[in-house]
Amino acid sequence: GENVEQHPSTLSVQEGDSAVIKCTYSDSASNYFPWYKQELGKRPQLIIDIRSNVGEKKDQRIAVTLNKTAKHFSLHITETQPEDSAVYFCAASKNNDMRFGAGTRLTVKP
Amino acid sequence: SAVISQKPSRDICQRGTSLTIQCQVDSQVTMMFWYRQQPGQSLTLIATANQGSEATYESGFVIDKFPISRPNLTFSTLTVSNMSPEDSSIYLCSVSQGGTNTEAFFGQGTRLTVV
Repeated sequence: GENVEQHPSTLSVQEGDSAVIKCTYSDSASNYFPWYKQELGKRPQLIIDIRSNVGEKKDQRIAVTLNKTAKHFSLHITETQPEDSAVYFCAASKNNDMRFGAGTRLTVKP
Repeated sequence: SAVISQKPSRDICQRGTSLTIQCQVDSQVTMMFWYRQQPGQSLTLIATANQGSEATYESGFVIDKFPISRPNLTFSTLTVSNMSPEDSSIYLCSVSQGGTNTEAFFGQGTRLTVV
């Protein structure tokens, strides 16, 4: 089955700096890669996603890149703000079977 | 987007008892899933709830322990049976609107504590 690895497990940045979270997946048939943000005590919320026919996608301060050959994808957050502090999960999906990475706890220090 | 109502939001239960968690969606959805999230951990898929047929369980999860119902396209239940303290966790339902690989929406979760 699909195995998703996510790094780092914790990340602390200064407000205004960039944050990068990386994931790898094992199943080359996976073709949908969402990123979720989970604030303490709340449900995971989709922040951006990318499909396998696209190499990069951007939405304001958030971008995701996908390298299908290497089977890895990354989340980039620029100009971080304290409200970006949360746990971020990557996922890889095939036929709606979605598997999650272990999560990255991002702390943005003001 | 789908609006998901999951209840109860939290419960404290005695070991050996069972708890049924409900997930109601405001629209018909093709796929419904149940996840477990232990404190500070990732989301682990328990099973896919299939409408009109038996759920499909992931390795390590069995129907006797986690029976699931899905009587229609908007509702599902997960029962945690014969609970032990190890079952203390957050349980989340998730839905996908259909098609291939679309966004998954989550319920607010049920925080279960077994004492």
